[in-house]
Amino acid sequence: VQLLQSGPEVKKPGASVKISCKTSGFTFTNYAIHWVRQAPGQGLEWLGWINAGNGDTKYSQRFQDRVTITTDTSARSAYMELRSLTSEDTAVFYCARGGDLDYWGQGSLVTVSS
Amino acid sequence: DVVVTQSPLSLPVILGQPASISCRSSVSLVYTDGNNYLNWFQQRPGQSPRRLIYRVSKRDSGVPDRFSGSGSGTEFTLRISRVEAEDVAFYYCLQATHWPFTFGPGTRVHI
Repeated sequence: VQLLQSGPEVKKPGASVKISCKTSGFTFTNYAIHWVRQAPGQGLEWLGWINAGNGDTKYSQRFQDRVTITTDTSARSAYMELRSLTSEDTAVFYCARGGDLDYWGQGSLVTVSS
Repeated sequence: DVVVTQSPLSLPVILGQPASISCRSSVSLVYTDGNNYLNWFQQRPGQSPRRLIYRVSKRDSGVPDRFSGSGSGTEFTLRISRVEAEDVAFYYCLQATHWPFTFGPGTRVHI
């Protein structure tokens, strides 16, 4: 099982970022994919979830207006787009597999700076 | 949202000695199927989180048996029977019973 995330991004305030999570080693549509954020020196924060089988999504209320999680089943990949970025969105974003978050990606650093 | 708290937030440990971390939820984590969806994760510096324990007490493959989990409802505990140097890390509990999922603030385990 592997979850390989896209590379670091540098964005200006107000911009959007879209991070990918390419999976292998399991049947993609049998699992959900979660997205978790970790600001520098801070703890883990759950952003949202997508059922890769049927596309159902659930989001943290805190991010609901700014985040969209999607999948491309042919590419065995999940994506997380975060809009209207501010400096407070500077963080490492992780994808993780399944209802119990058993496997995690390596993380994608997003830096928001003018 | 369900509030998850951990104590202590910083835990000095002695190698070879036991250690424990408490995780409390603002509501019961018993799901309609009778399971408590409470997981524990370890995060070493510069690494992704790694799941250690799921559904309170089920240890993941490859996790040393010095790690154990217990509890039900609103109170849960992660125990390390004999701390080793490689256990220095942050530990997070996660409730996955109620939407949205919520993590505890984390506990720093250090020598």
